[in-house]
Amino acid sequence: DGGITQSPKYLFRKEGQNVTLSCEQNLNHDAMYWYRQDPGQGLRLIYYSQIVNDFQKGDIAEGYSVSREKKESFPLTVTSAQKNPTAFYLCASTGQISGANVLTFGAGSRLTVL
Amino acid sequence: AQKITQTQPGMFVQEKEAVTLDCTYDTSDPSYGLFWYKQPSSGEMIFLIYQGSYDQQNATEGRYSLNFQKARKSANLVISASQLGDSAMYFCAMRYYGNNRLAFGKGNQVVVIP
Repeated sequence: DGGITQSPKYLFRKEGQNVTLSCEQNLNHDAMYWYRQDPGQGLRLIYYSQIVNDFQKGDIAEGYSVSREKKESFPLTVTSAQKNPTAFYLCASTGQISGANVLTFGAGSRLTVL
Repeated sequence: AQKITQTQPGMFVQEKEAVTLDCTYDTSDPSYGLFWYKQPSSGEMIFLIYQGSYDQQNATEGRYSLNFQKARKSANLVISASQLGDSAMYFCAMRYYGNNRLAFGKGNQVVVIP
C-alpha cells in the first residue's frame, strides 16, 4: 500500500542533542512538507520541498534543517538551536485526490526533550 | 496574511445526530482551496473534504458536506448521522495559491456519545 512512513513514532532527546526524524513516501509525490503541532494548536509549517534538491523555509524554520536528496525521502533534523522542540511532528506530501491537490500525512513522530 | 479561525469550544454530540463545525477564513486572493481534516487520538491527519473557491456547488463526501458561503468567508463542515468513530479533532485548512502552502486553524474537538 502506498503511503508515508515516519519514524520513530516516539523519541526522547536530551537538551543540546540533535535528532533526525525520518519521512519516506512511496506515493511518487513531488512535494513534501514538515509540520509541527503543539497541544491544542493547529499545524505550523516548518519546511517544504517542491522538488528534489530544493526546499524552502516555512513559518517556523529556525532551529530545524532538512534535506531532499531523493524524491522518496525528506528527513527533518531538530537541532540544539531549537529552543522548545517538544512537539508532535507530521510529515506530508501532496497528491491528487478527486481533482484536488491534497496533503497526505504520515502517522507522526512525538519528540520529547528531557 | 491568510488566517483560519475555528473558535467553537469542545462539543458533545449524540450518536446519529448531525453536527456542524464552524470555520471562517480571511484572504485577499480570489483563488484558494479549503480543506477539512480529522485527527483522531492516534494523531494521524485524515483528509475529509475539499472545496475550491470557484466551485459552484457545495462539496459532499459521504456523511461529510461543506457549507461554503463565499461572501461570508465561511466553510463549515457538517457531519451527518454521527458515529462513535467520529470522535476526534477537526481542522479546517486553506491553500493559498501564491505558494501552494496550507494554513491550518486550531481545530474543533468533537466527542460523540452513545
